[in-house]
Amino acid sequence: AQSVTQLGSHVSVSEGALVLLRCNYSSSVPPYLFWYVQYPNQGLQLLLKYTSAATLVKGINGFEAEFKKSETSFHLTKPSAHMSDAAEYFCAVMGVGGDYKLSFGAGTTVTVRA
Amino acid sequence: ETGVTQSPTHLIKTRGQQVTLRCSSQSGHNTVSWYQQALGQGPQFIFQYYREEENGRGNFPPRFSGLQFPNYSSELNVNALELDDSALYLCASRTKQGWNTEAFFGQGTRLTVV
Repeated sequence: AQSVTQLGSHVSVSEGALVLLRCNYSSSVPPYLFWYVQYPNQGLQLLLKYTSAATLVKGINGFEAEFKKSETSFHLTKPSAHMSDAAEYFCAVMGVGGDYKLSFGAGTTVTVRA
Repeated sequence: ETGVTQSPTHLIKTRGQQVTLRCSSQSGHNTVSWYQQALGQGPQFIFQYYREEENGRGNFPPRFSGLQFPNYSSELNVNALELDDSALYLCASRTKQGWNTEAFFGQGTRLTVV
């Protein structure tokens, strides 16, 4: 069964600093991996997805993630944090069964300091 | 805006009662999934419907049931509510099954069981 683990439940960064959110996956087959963002009282919005086409994936709002098979990681980064990046971020892996369900990590809350 | 709408946005029920949550899928989407997100956790897959039939289920008891209608809207029903059922319930719709189709999430229904 596929699963993901997010390291660090809370991350605090200064405005303009690097944002780094960690995600490690467990999968017996090449995984399809996703990062979602959730703003307060809202649903989930897709930031980016890895589908084996390229190891460095660029998403919306200046975020990108790098798939590293040797480290079983899919960390999310943004070079310069903005106040609007304050939200909760979820890493997810898609199942390979017929339901294509998403299995989410526990989430990382990002706060941005002025 | 994703076009996936859920109702109601908030709901308070008493333990032992039954509840129905509704989801209107984005136009053209024939697949809908439901997720439960407990406070401080990532979303957990409940089940999925494809063309009005359930085709995947997570680790949830039978008192969690659903329906998908010919217009692809969907309902989640929970019987015999327990305090632990308090959570944000999210629905997500896709155009078809498959790893490369993006799931669009609604804003969720916040259920509180007292």
